[in-house]
Amino acid sequence: QVQLQESGPGLVKPSQTLSLTCTVSGDSISSGSYYWSWIRQPAGKGLEWIGRIFSIGSTNYNPSLKSRVTISVDTSKNQFSLNLTSVTAADTAIYYCARVRYDVLTGRNWFDRWGQGTLVAVSS
Amino acid sequence: DIQMTQSPSSLSASVGDRVTITCRASQSVSSYLNWYQQKPGKAPTLLIYAASTLESGVPSRFSGSGSGTDFTLTISSLQPEDFATYYCQQSYTTTFGQGTKLEIK
Repeated sequence: QVQLQESGPGLVKPSQTLSLTCTVSGDSISSGSYYWSWIRQPAGKGLEWIGRIFSIGSTNYNPSLKSRVTISVDTSKNQFSLNLTSVTAADTAIYYCARVRYDVLTGRNWFDRWGQGTLVAVSS
Repeated sequence: DIQMTQSPSSLSASVGDRVTITCRASQSVSSYLNWYQQKPGKAPTLLIYAASTLESGVPSRFSGSGSGTDFTLTISSLQPEDFATYYCQQSYTTTFGQGTKLEIK
C-alpha cells in the first residue's frame, strides 16, 4: 500500500522560500500510470492545486502560482519536492502531497492517495 | 480558468436520509470530474472518479452522475461516518469546488 509523507519547516519568514519534500513508500515513484502533485488548504478553506510532476521531470503548475513554484523529483530517493518563493501570510496553509492516477487512453486523472498534510505558517 | 461551483455550501441531514450535492463547471469538462470526502483534521479521500466510477473500497451508497457541466454526488442512506465536507474537482485543468459541509440535523 503506497504511502506519502510530507516533511519540511513548519514556519517560514515572509519573502523567503517555502520548501517541502514528499517521501513515497510502498511503491516506486517511477512506476505505473501516475504523476505526483502538491495541493494546499488554508485553515477553514477549500483545496487549491499547486502543481504536478511526472517521474521523468515534466511539470504543470497552477497559473496563479506558476511564477513562484518549482516542483522537482528525485527518483533515487523516491521523493518529490515543492519550492514556493517570496511567500506571504496568504501562503499559510496545510500542504498535501498526493499521487495522481491517470488513464492513458482518456487523460482522465484523479488524486487517489494523499499524505497526511503538513501545516506551514508564514510569519516573522 | 474553469470554475467549479458546488451547491449547497452546507447541508443538514439525518442518518438514513438521501442526500444530493451538485457541482457545476463554468465550461464543459466532459466526465473529467472527481469527488472527495474530507473529515476534520484529515486529508481528503477519493470517492468517485470519472464522474461515476466508485473508487475501490468506497461503500455503494455513494454514487456520482453527470457529464459536461452538471454533476451530482448522491448518498443513498446517510450513515454517521458520512458527516464530512465533500469536494468536487475537475481534472481537465485541475480546480476544486468550494466544498459542501454535510452536518447532522
